[in-house]
Amino acid sequence: DTGVSQDPRHKITKRGQNVTFRCDPISEHNRLYWYRQTLGQGPEFLTYFQNEAQLEKSRLLSDRFSAERPKGSFSTLEIQRTEQGDSAMYLCASSLGDRVAFFGQGTRLTVV
Amino acid sequence: QQQVKQSPQSLIVQKGGISIINCAYENTAFDYFPWYQQFPGKGPALLIAIRPDVSEKKEGRFTISFNKSAKQFSLHIMDSQPGDSATYFCAAGYGGADGLTFGKGTHLIIQP
Repeated sequence: DTGVSQDPRHKITKRGQNVTFRCDPISEHNRLYWYRQTLGQGPEFLTYFQNEAQLEKSRLLSDRFSAERPKGSFSTLEIQRTEQGDSAMYLCASSLGDRVAFFGQGTRLTVV
Repeated sequence: QQQVKQSPQSLIVQKGGISIINCAYENTAFDYFPWYQQFPGKGPALLIAIRPDVSEKKEGRFTISFNKSAKQFSLHIMDSQPGDSATYFCAAGYGGADGLTFGKGTHLIIQP
């Protein structure tokens, strides 16, 4: 499978715990995006990378959210001190420059 | 502030009919307008996209109509099939730089 891969697909965590999600983009894609999608809503843009540089992070939802793409390949999204309101689908997408963005299957987070 | 408004929220169409979903945007700097299809539990998948230098783009049964002066664009699905039943999202962006801004989605049901 050469599409965007996200891991895990599902995560259940207790409130206050930290969680980390991984995204492996399509191999030749230099741009990587993170979105959040809540039930009944469209995806909401959070941040994006061009290679290893994080070019936009002002829309990360709070300082509890952070993302990295250390070698310009895979990326991680971390949420510290999770809250029930963080429950959502977290989507990763990648693109080659300004061409079409392809989405992964997402990681569904449930905070209990 | 919702920058992309999508309607209707839900739509029921008979098999073989035409499904029409509409979107309006506010930011005139947007220059890329894709439509995504999403099935339950899956990530969004690109259907078709248009840039504002053309007024219409057709790919198979899917057509985007674009009205730059009215800041509106729409998706037409011809000969709608039960397999088209999904949630459809319009989006707008800046040619790949930065993330996409999505509408809230239209839940489409094609009745056999």
